[in-house]
Formats: sequence, structure tokens, C-alpha cells
Amino acid sequence: AQSVTQLGSHVSVSEGALVLLRCNYSSSVPPYLFWYVQYPNQGLQLLLKYTSAATLVKGINGFEAEFKKSETSFHLTKPSAHMSDAAEYFCAHQGAQKLVFGQGTRLTINP
Amino acid sequence: DGGITQSPKYLFRKEGQNVTLSCEQNLNHDAMYWYRQDPGQGLRLIYYSQIVNDFQKGDIAEGYSVSREKKESFPLTVTSAQKNPTAFYLCASSIIAGLSYEQYFGPGTRLTVT
Repeated sequence: AQSVTQLGSHVSVSEGALVLLRCNYSSSVPPYLFWYVQYPNQGLQLLLKYTSAATLVKGINGFEAEFKKSETSFHLTKPSAHMSDAAEYFCAHQGAQKLVFGQGTRLTINP
Repeated sequence: DGGITQSPKYLFRKEGQNVTLSCEQNLNHDAMYWYRQDPGQGLRLIYYSQIVNDFQKGDIAEGYSVSREKKESFPLTVTSAQKNPTAFYLCASSIIAGLSYEQYFGPGTRLTVT
């Protein structure tokens, strides 16, 4: 069965520091991969998606993710964290007729 | 504006009562989904539907029921058989095009059962 693993349920960084949220997927077929962000008591918002085009994908709010087939990874990065980035982030992989989500990573930004 | 609406935002019920959560979309999407979210457990799929009058069980369908009588609407009923119904419920929709099922989410309904 397809699965998505997000390493680290909580990540804490200082404002202005690099943000790195890790995601690994298990699949033998070419993947479609997504990162979503969720602010408290809200729904999920799509940050970016990989659909077999460029391996470096740019999204909203300055985030980007790089697809690495050899590592089965799709890590999310942002060069400089902002207080408004504090939220929960979900990586998802396209499965059969539905998305398979990781457990989520809660990002905390320290002033 | 196109989007997904869920109502109400907060819902309170007594144990033993059935309750129906509303989900409406005007995106003309074919597929709709219901997820349950609990702290530290990510999103768990309850039911999904790809076409009117048809739906499939997800990973945690027990104690829930759905209907899909219209393309725009996919209400979820939390029955008294659901052992732990208190949770945050999210509805989503997607087009069905090629291999991508990018989903758009509603704002969620927080259900509290006491």
C-alpha cells in the first residue's frame, strides 16, 4: 500500500531561519505529490504540487519543494521563516482515486 | 466566488443523537470527500464519492453515512454508533482529470458530542 512519511511531528525554527520539512513517499509508479498547509481551525490550502514536470516546484508564500526520485523524497523548504508560517503542513501522494496524507508536521516559529 | 462551504462551523450534540454535517461545492467538481481530523493523527478518510448516487467507504467509515443526490452536495451523518464522534471534520472536492486528484478543502466543522 502507498504511504507517506513526514519526519518530525514538530519542527521549531527561529524567524529568518531556513525551514525544512521532510516527506518521503512509497510508490513504484510515477508520483503526483502535494504539500498542503493548515492554519488553526481552518481547512487545508494547497501550497504546491509536483506532477512530473520540473523537479523543483515553487509554491505560494515563498515555499518550494524538490522531487528526488532516487531518495523517494519531496521535502518542503523556505529560505527565511516568517511568523506567519506557523501552521501544520501535510504532504500527500496521489493514490488510487484519492490522496494519501502524511501525519503532518507542526511548524513553530520562534521570534 | 467558487469554493466549498461547510456548515455550521461549530456543532454541539448530546450523545446518542445523529447529526448531519453539510458540504456544498460550486466548483463543478466530480469527486467529493469527507475526512476526520484528530490531534496528532493527521487526516483520515471517511467516505468519498466520484459520481452522483455512488460513494465508497474510506478507512474509517463505521458509524458514518453519506449521500450524493446532487453533484454539488455531499452531506455526512454522524450516527449514534460512532464511538468517538468529537473531532474536526473536513470536506474536500476534486476534478477527475488524468492521474491527478488535487483536492480543494472546505473550512471544516468542529463537532463536539457530550
